[in-house]
Amino acid sequence: GQNIDQPTEMTATEGAIVQINCTYQTSGFNGLFWYQQHAGEAPTFLSYNVLDGLEEKGRFSSFLSRSKGYSYLLLKELQMKDSASYLCAPEVGNTPLVFGKGTRLSVIA
Amino acid sequence: NAGVMQNPRHLVRRRGQEARLRCSPMKGHSHVYWYRQLPEEGLKFMVYLQKENIIDESGMPKERFSAEFPKEGPSILRIQQVVRGDSAAYFCASSAAGTQPQHFGDGTRLSIL
Repeated sequence: GQNIDQPTEMTATEGAIVQINCTYQTSGFNGLFWYQQHAGEAPTFLSYNVLDGLEEKGRFSSFLSRSKGYSYLLLKELQMKDSASYLCAPEVGNTPLVFGKGTRLSVIA
Repeated sequence: NAGVMQNPRHLVRRRGQEARLRCSPMKGHSHVYWYRQLPEEGLKFMVYLQKENIIDESGMPKERFSAEFPKEGPSILRIQQVVRGDSAAYFCASSAAGTQPQHFGDGTRLSIL
């Protein structure tokens, strides 16, 4: 089985930077996905990390440390529209993704 | 629209009725996944299918629930004799192969009266 741990809720200010952490314990790890889900909407793909290190994509960056079973999603220049749940999902072999419960981010003015 | 299409968006059923949820994957995708999401909860994997085959149904209740992905047509998630606890959002996702990422449909919100 997999064990995925993310903070349940976070609050940050518009224009600031926020880091959402995810730790996981799994065997047969391939890579790690981050998805964004606005309330009442479908999850949308944000990033996929296979190698250790930071991958930057606009205002969003994702980091992976395979040896530590740790990833984070970094959101810069926060906007109100970034208020959403952020889901961490380790990929194990060709098995279906198992999602963490997600971190609900609230961006306040 | 080349995305994952789910219908209906909203479905209301009375206890004991049957619910049928449909999912057409993205063009070129042959792998379909169904997830259930309760309010304020995370996505729970239910079943993984390829054309005409169930690959993994470890997350699907053994009774009342079934899924298929026929050679022609959409994937169907079928819930028989629905109960109040079946009320949830049901999301379908598709991918090109066992490789990811999965692309999600907008979901079907099932309400049981």
